[in-house]
Amino acid sequence: DQQVKQNSPSLSVQEGRISILNCDYTNSMFDYFLWYKKYPAEGPTFLISISSIKDKNEDGRFTVFLNKSAKHLSLHIVPSQPGDSAVYFCHSLVYNFNKFYFGSGTKLNVKP
Amino acid sequence: DAGVIQSPRHEVTEMGQEVTLRCKPISGHDYLFWYRQTMMRGLELLIYFNNNVPIDDSGMPEDRFSAKMPNASFSTLKIQPSEPRDSAVYFCASSWMGNQPQHFGDGTRLSIL
Repeated sequence: DQQVKQNSPSLSVQEGRISILNCDYTNSMFDYFLWYKKYPAEGPTFLISISSIKDKNEDGRFTVFLNKSAKHLSLHIVPSQPGDSAVYFCHSLVYNFNKFYFGSGTKLNVKP
Repeated sequence: DAGVIQSPRHEVTEMGQEVTLRCKPISGHDYLFWYRQTMMRGLELLIYFNNNVPIDDSGMPEDRFSAKMPNASFSTLKIQPSEPRDSAVYFCASSWMGNQPQHFGDGTRLSIL
C-alpha cells in the first residue's frame, strides 16, 4: 500500500540547470508535505515543507509546488549544483492525526 | 545541541543471533521514530513513540521485532532471532511534535549473514 510514490528512481541534470523531482500521493487527507535530502552514510535532513493551504513555497534555490487536484507535488532546484547530488524523499502526512508516509526516494545526480 | 545519536553504526552478525539497535533522541523531542530503509521499499516506518509510549507499531514486520523506550533519552529496537532478510539500514528520528520535521540519526547498517 504505497500512499506516496516517487516514480523516478533517479535523475541526472547538468550543473546550472533546473532539477524537478516529483511525488504523487493517493490519500486526499494528506495536508502537509515535506522534502528531505539524504547523502550517503547519513540520515535524511529536512529541506522544505508546504501546507495544503498553499500551492507554492520557496526557500532560496528550492521551491515546492503542490497541485491538490492532481495529488501531486514537485521540488524544483534552480540552479542545480553538484552539492545537490543526493537522494530526495517526499514525506506526506495528515497534520492532525500523525499519519505519515515516505516515498521511496529519487537519486539526483548533478553533473559539473 | 547534539543530534540524534544511533549505535552501532555498523553491525554484522550471523542468522539467529539477537540484534539490539540503540537511539538517543534530541533532548526535548517528544516523538521518536524507527525506520528501515531498503532499496525496494524506501523508508518504512516501523514504530513510533510519543512521550515514551508506543503509538503505532503497525509497521513492525513480525514478532521477531520489538522496540522499547524506557525513558525520554533512550530507545532500543531489538530483532530476535535475526534473519538475512532483516539486512538493511535502520534509522532513528525524533521530533518535538508528530507533524513537525523529523531529525534523523546517521543510521545503523545491519548485515545478517
